[in-house]
This record gives sequence, structure tokens and C-alpha cells, in this order.
Amino acid sequence: GAVVSQHPSWVICKSGTSVKIECRSLDFQATTMFWYRQFPKQSLMLMATSNEGSKATYEQGVEKDKFLINHASLTLSTLTVTSAHPEDSSFYICSARSGNPNTEAFFGQGTRLTVV
Amino acid sequence: AQSVTQLDSHVSVSEGTPVLLRCNYSSSYSPSLFWYVQHPNKGLQLLLKYTSAATLVKGINGFEAEFKKSETSFHLTKPSAHMSDAAEYFCVAMDSWGKLQFGAGTQVVVTP
Repeated sequence: GAVVSQHPSWVICKSGTSVKIECRSLDFQATTMFWYRQFPKQSLMLMATSNEGSKATYEQGVEKDKFLINHASLTLSTLTVTSAHPEDSSFYICSARSGNPNTEAFFGQGTRLTVV
Repeated sequence: AQSVTQLDSHVSVSEGTPVLLRCNYSSSYSPSLFWYVQHPNKGLQLLLKYTSAATLVKGINGFEAEFKKSETSFHLTKPSAHMSDAAEYFCVAMDSWGKLQFGAGTQVVVTP
């Protein structure tokens, strides 16, 4: 299957700082990328959907100014957690899809964010 | 609106015995359905998918699932569990816009 690379795999940052997570599709053009958040022992919660070249669509309850998403190219989307707080500590996972909505989405390996 | 219900949050099996993970969906149409596996602190790996072709779907690592429209179910099975099957499993439905709806997950424990 196609490869989606997420970087970094883990990051520790201080409260009040911002941290950027990258999601890259290595061998296909990702017209749509999704960002999920996963709390311990829970399922994945969709945060936002981004299409290349347009603004991300955020799910209800997700703060746009807190979680900045950029999808500037067909192979890269970034999630920036701004002014991070300990409650933002979580596992963040991206997925990417090419073509029409019925095509399979491929997942990155996830990023463990710890805010201290 | 569609929803996915995984009926067991936790399943414990002995190595070499069958595994059954139950999943029911609700949707106004026949959705695309997937099973993913997640090992600790890892991303999701696709086990198999149903996209309105054959109702019995074979996946990787000996897993298979059967789509039963009359029961709105998509249960995942494996004849013989291996220690490496210990992980979290997610049943997922995809709507016509490509949006994924995740079940709550089933934690599988395999004992020697």
C-alpha cells in the first residue's frame, strides 16, 4: 500500500510553546488529508479535513486558532499546536487519500505529543 | 448519519484459538467498511476492506470478515490467534464523502 510518513514520532514541549507535526505522502499525491486525535485507550476523533490549496474544515469543538492546519502541497500537510498546554498532550495521527472520496485512506504512524 | 458499534471493548483469547471481533454499523446505504489494527503507539494498519464486492473479505495475517447486510454486521475473525495479534482493532465505516467513522475499538489480549 501507499506510504504516509508522519514526523516527529514523539515530541515533548514546554507549555506556551508551539509545535509542528508534518504528514507526508511519499508515493502518491494526497488531495485530502485528515488529522485525528486519540486519547489513551480511546478511538480516533477526527479533528479536521484538509484539501490541497484550500482551508481546512474543522470538526465541531475543535479550535481553529489552536490547531493550525496547512495543506500547501499534494504531498505535505502540517498541524501546528499553538500555545500548547498539558491538556493538549495526546496521540495525533494523520491520514491521506488521493482521488475520489471512495479511495482508501492511508495512515501515518502517529505523533505522541507531551506538553510539560 | 452513520455509526459504528464494536460490541466488545476487550477480548481475551488463548494462542491458537479462534478470534471473533464483533462490529455492527448503521447507515442509510451500504457503506464501505474497514478493519484496522493498531499496535501500541503506532499508526493504523489496514487489515481488510469491504467495498460492495464479495461479502466475505480476506485480509492480511489470516484475518477475514463477512459483510451481512441483513444483520448490519461486519465481524472480524481469525481461525487461530497468534501472540502478535495482541493489539487494538478498529471497525471503520466510510461515508459517500470519504469521511471515516471509527468504532470505539476492541483491545485483544492473547494469552500463551
